[in-house]
Amino acid sequence: GAVVSQHPSWVICKSGTSVKIECRSLDFQATTMFWYRQFPKQSLMLMATSNEGSKATYEQGVEKDKFLINHASLTLSTLTVTSAHPEDSSFYICSARALGLAEDNEQFFGPGTRLTVL
Amino acid sequence: SQELEQSPQSLIVQEGKNLTINCTSSKTLYGLYWYKQKYGEGLIFLMMLQKGGEEKSHEKITAKLDEKKQQSSLHITASQPSHAGIYLCGADMGNNDMRFGAGTRLTVKP
Repeated sequence: GAVVSQHPSWVICKSGTSVKIECRSLDFQATTMFWYRQFPKQSLMLMATSNEGSKATYEQGVEKDKFLINHASLTLSTLTVTSAHPEDSSFYICSARALGLAEDNEQFFGPGTRLTVL
Repeated sequence: SQELEQSPQSLIVQEGKNLTINCTSSKTLYGLYWYKQKYGEGLIFLMMLQKGGEEKSHEKITAKLDEKKQQSSLHITASQPSHAGIYLCGADMGNNDMRFGAGTRLTVKP
């Protein structure tokens, strides 16, 4: 149990296009989902915290209009990279905080999505 | 399913006990990263392994990458409550392909 999926697992797009990445909790409800980005050979950077039914909270330095986050249900959050540019190429990973499991603070991570912008 | 299998999913140990978390792939890895997340905080980079048989240590935490570069283990000696948190492995699968494990939640009981 407690599986988080991401779709797509990898995507290649042209500069200027928008890309949507989905994060789903498959067998549990998640009130909160987190979006991270990994730069080459560096740690994961928290981009934003997404709460179901409310606006996402973005970390300092993350452009809200660039990285649109929607948390429409307790099992789905989406990250849309708008007008993507080559510098947006990276790995994006989500995690979901479980509601109703033994410890409400427990988080489960998705496998990641690799975005390449040409 | 996760391409990178991390186990166990959760672990409860008594303070002072040793523990091991594993991260396994069916493919040869080009790099293996270990992270820790304290509850309510961001991810902290622990260490990175690249060479087969490589072993690195940081305080009481030791990580190894096997010779085939398909499995890594994270070992904590004499665990303390400060070690509690979520441990996450990430792997460079080659060709700029990265995958992450599902995480291991560690609880250390005083």
